[in-house]
Amino acid sequence: EAQVTQNPRYLITVTGKKLTVTCSQNMNHEYMSWYRQDPGLGLRQIYYSMNVEVTDKGDVPEGYKVSRKEKRNFPLILESPSPNQTSLYFCASSLFASDTGGSGVNEQFFGPGTRLTVL
Amino acid sequence: AQSVTQPDIHITVSEGASLELRCNYSYGATPYLFWYVQSPGQGLQLLLKYFSGDTLVQGIKGFEAEFKRSQSSFNLRKPSVHWSDAAEYFCAVRYMGRRALTFGSGTRLQVQP
Repeated sequence: EAQVTQNPRYLITVTGKKLTVTCSQNMNHEYMSWYRQDPGLGLRQIYYSMNVEVTDKGDVPEGYKVSRKEKRNFPLILESPSPNQTSLYFCASSLFASDTGGSGVNEQFFGPGTRLTVL
Repeated sequence: AQSVTQPDIHITVSEGASLELRCNYSYGATPYLFWYVQSPGQGLQLLLKYFSGDTLVQGIKGFEAEFKRSQSSFNLRKPSVHWSDAAEYFCAVRYMGRRALTFGSGTRLQVQP
């Protein structure tokens, strides 16, 4: 089954304790991205990756790191989590990183989400 | 900067009634427009998308949306709502040549029996 998976689904941690949220897709997608969802704000992009070893900041990258060593995996790293990073996190992927003239292949597929609480 | 506005935070409709959820995007280059639905505790599922061509697009679960360039709108409609449609709906836009997908703040739909 084609899917984006995230682990863990739920996590409660304390301020300053490093954590990693994993994301994996089995669709051979080039593009992967992380979002956070907060009430009243919708989803905001944290980081994205155009391909292996190519990553860039989104709208709210502060306090986060990512890596893309393999095409299928795109982990999100919080080196020193703080309470303002309590949020619902979504990983997403799409087939191509570049547009294809409107052929319609570039919709993003989302993982099930990771609810993170930082105390 | 690109932005998406969903002016209705919360909407309640009766089961069987028609539904329209509003979405306006900031004017820019060729927009790619999407509607996603998020059921409680679930991830986002794509309902429909508009890239080009016919401005009325059909999606899954009986939803449709109409792209109106003159109004910078992409409103989502359904002629008859079912109780299972209760969820949060997000409009999103991406402009050709740009990577970022910008989401609206969402509209929470409640369905009354």
